[in-house]
Amino acid sequence: KAGVTQTPRYLIKTRGQQVTLSCSPISGHRSVSWYQQTPGQGLQFLFEYFSETQRNKGNFPGRFSGRQFSNSRSEMNVSTLELGDSALYLCASSLDGTSFNEQFFGPGTRLTVL
Amino acid sequence: SQKIEQNSEALNIQEGKTATLTCNYTNYSPAYLQWYRQDPGRGPVFLLLIRENEKEKRKERLKVTFDTTLKQSLFHITASQPADSATYLCALKLDSNYQLIWGAGTKLIIKP
Repeated sequence: KAGVTQTPRYLIKTRGQQVTLSCSPISGHRSVSWYQQTPGQGLQFLFEYFSETQRNKGNFPGRFSGRQFSNSRSEMNVSTLELGDSALYLCASSLDGTSFNEQFFGPGTRLTVL
Repeated sequence: SQKIEQNSEALNIQEGKTATLTCNYTNYSPAYLQWYRQDPGRGPVFLLLIRENEKEKRKERLKVTFDTTLKQSLFHITASQPADSATYLCALKLDSNYQLIWGAGTKLIIKP
């Protein structure tokens, strides 16, 4: 089974631009979660999608948004980029996101905002 | 306030010894706790899960304990090897929430 894939792997943008990141979950997985990881901060939860619906959302501003398609692929968008948005963005898939399901992570997208 | 704490300082262990990492939490009642390993430039990889009603879980050289009274989980790697060097993350799953809540991770360095 193919693992979780994320594209692009690296991205450089300037302040004020917007960016779209893509995540393809493991086949059969219906839950996709997105995280932001910065040094020393750990993984900060952005949102979780299941069957094209956002089920849970973290404490991020409205500039961060996402969506999930019928094939479970997911995208996240960040508008009006700020320097502080520079981070590793990880997506993780699981069967259905309920208790006891482990999450499988992609390699991440390294976003640098200049 | 609710928080999860892992030792922010790197842990240096001699090869062959047992490495013990700590995950403490406050003001949570987790349904279960997970441990992940993360290598530089890569996403975390699931290692072990322990439920609230379990005291201990083992997998090969790995052992996790979960003390809900102390609000603490310990993660042990026995007969440690340089290949075990990585950052180890703990994450809590609350019963009423779909998301995992993560610690910042502890960097483990196994010296040959």
